[in-house]
Amino acid sequence: TQLLEQSPQFLSIQEGENLTVYCNSSSVFSSLQWYRQEPGEGPVLLVTVVTGGEVKKLKRLTFQFGDARKDSSLHITAAQPGDTGLYLCAGKAVSSSNTGKLIFGQGTTLQVKP
Amino acid sequence: DAGVIQSPRHEVTEMGQEVTLRCKPISGHDYLFWYRQTMMRGLELLIYFNNNVPIDDSGMPEDRFSAKMPNASFSTLKIQPSEPRDSAVYFCASSLSGGYNEQFFGPGTRLTVL
Repeated sequence: TQLLEQSPQFLSIQEGENLTVYCNSSSVFSSLQWYRQEPGEGPVLLVTVVTGGEVKKLKRLTFQFGDARKDSSLHITAAQPGDTGLYLCAGKAVSSSNTGKLIFGQGTTLQVKP
Repeated sequence: DAGVIQSPRHEVTEMGQEVTLRCKPISGHDYLFWYRQTMMRGLELLIYFNNNVPIDDSGMPEDRFSAKMPNASFSTLKIQPSEPRDSAVYFCASSLSGGYNEQFFGPGTRLTVL
C-alpha cells in the first residue's frame, strides 16, 4: 500500500514565524501536489512539482520535491493568519501513472495566531 | 467558470434513512472522485469513475454505499440505510486525464446521521 505521511499533524504558531511541513513516502511519485483546505470548503490546489529536486515558490510559500521523488516539503516564511488551514500533499504514484488516482496524506492543520 | 457543484451542502438525517448526495463535475473532465473526510481518518477515497465507468470502488465501506454516474455531468453517492458512523464531510472532485491530474474539489456535503 502506498502511503504519504505528513508531519507534523498539527502546528500552532505566532504570526511572523517560519514553518516547514513534510510529506514522506517509501514509494516513488511521478508528481506531487500540495492543496490547502479552509474550513467549510474543499481542498484547493496550490502547486504541482514533477522533477526530482524541483523547487517552486508561491509568494511566501516554497515547495520542494525530493531528489528521489519520494518526499516533499512546504516551507512558509513569515506566516500570516490567512495561512491558517489544512495542508494536504497528494502524489501520483509511478505504478498508477495511467490512472487519475492520487494518494493523499493525512494533512497538517496549521493555525497562525495574530 | 463553474467549479464542481455538490448538493446538498448540509444533510441531517436519522439512522436508517436513505441519503443521496449529488455532484456535477467540471465540464470536460473525465475523472470523478468521491471522498469522505473525518478528523480521525482524514480524506479517504471511496470510489472513482473514468468516462462514467467505475474504476475502483475498493474504498467503499460496505454494501450500504453505492455510487452511480449515469452521464458525464452527474453523479450520485447513496447510503442506505445510513448509520451514525457515516457522519462526515463528503467531497466530490473531478480532473482531466493527461498532465498531472490535478483534482478540483466541490465544497462538500456535511452529513450528520442522528
